[in-house]
Amino acid sequence: DAGVTQSPTHLIKTRGQQVTLRCSPKSGHDTVSWYQQALGQGPQFIFQYYEEEERQRGNFPDRFSGHQFPNYSSELNVNALLLGDSALYLCASSRTAGQPNEKLFFGSGTQLSVL
Amino acid sequence: DQQVKQNSPSLSVQEGRISILNCDYTNSMFDYFLWYKKYPAEGPTFLISISSIKDKNEDGRFTVFLNKSAKHLSLHIVPSQPGDSAVYFCAASSFSGGYNKLIFGAGTRLAVHP
Repeated sequence: DAGVTQSPTHLIKTRGQQVTLRCSPKSGHDTVSWYQQALGQGPQFIFQYYEEEERQRGNFPDRFSGHQFPNYSSELNVNALLLGDSALYLCASSRTAGQPNEKLFFGSGTQLSVL
Repeated sequence: DQQVKQNSPSLSVQEGRISILNCDYTNSMFDYFLWYKKYPAEGPTFLISISSIKDKNEDGRFTVFLNKSAKHLSLHIVPSQPGDSAVYFCAASSFSGGYNKLIFGAGTRLAVHP
């Protein structure tokens, strides 16, 4: 049973460019969340997708956008990259949004470096 | 505004002894708390959780204690093993936040040495 898979594992971009990160949730999961983990910090919630709609959003600018496809996979798009966007981007999936005892399963992340 | 704080960036413990990792929170709306463990080049993995209606939850070598009045929780690992060496994140969630929106602390790096 494949867990949460993310691609690519590493990415190098320059300021002002745009990037798309991809995530396939664990089998049986329909909810995908994205987190940003800057160096030395804990993961920060970006947004969550369920039934192909953004359900919740953290404190991130509109440059961060996403999408969920009918097969529950998801993309995270970041426009007009800034140096401060350099971070590990984690995708997490769960079976159903909104349940306290539903564990989040994380992928290994995409390490984005903005030069 | 850091709502979940892990004030110890690192902890070193001898194998076989107890490891105690601490976490403080400020938002009284949090009602569910979790600990995740992260190895290098891997995503965080769920370790143990506790609801605010409890003050203790145990799973094998891992026990989480919650002190709501102090807004403090701790993770005890007994006995500690070298394979426990990892970064441990405390996280909190709430009904109003939809539960899947986890607020993480900055993490504590645990090193268990023989």
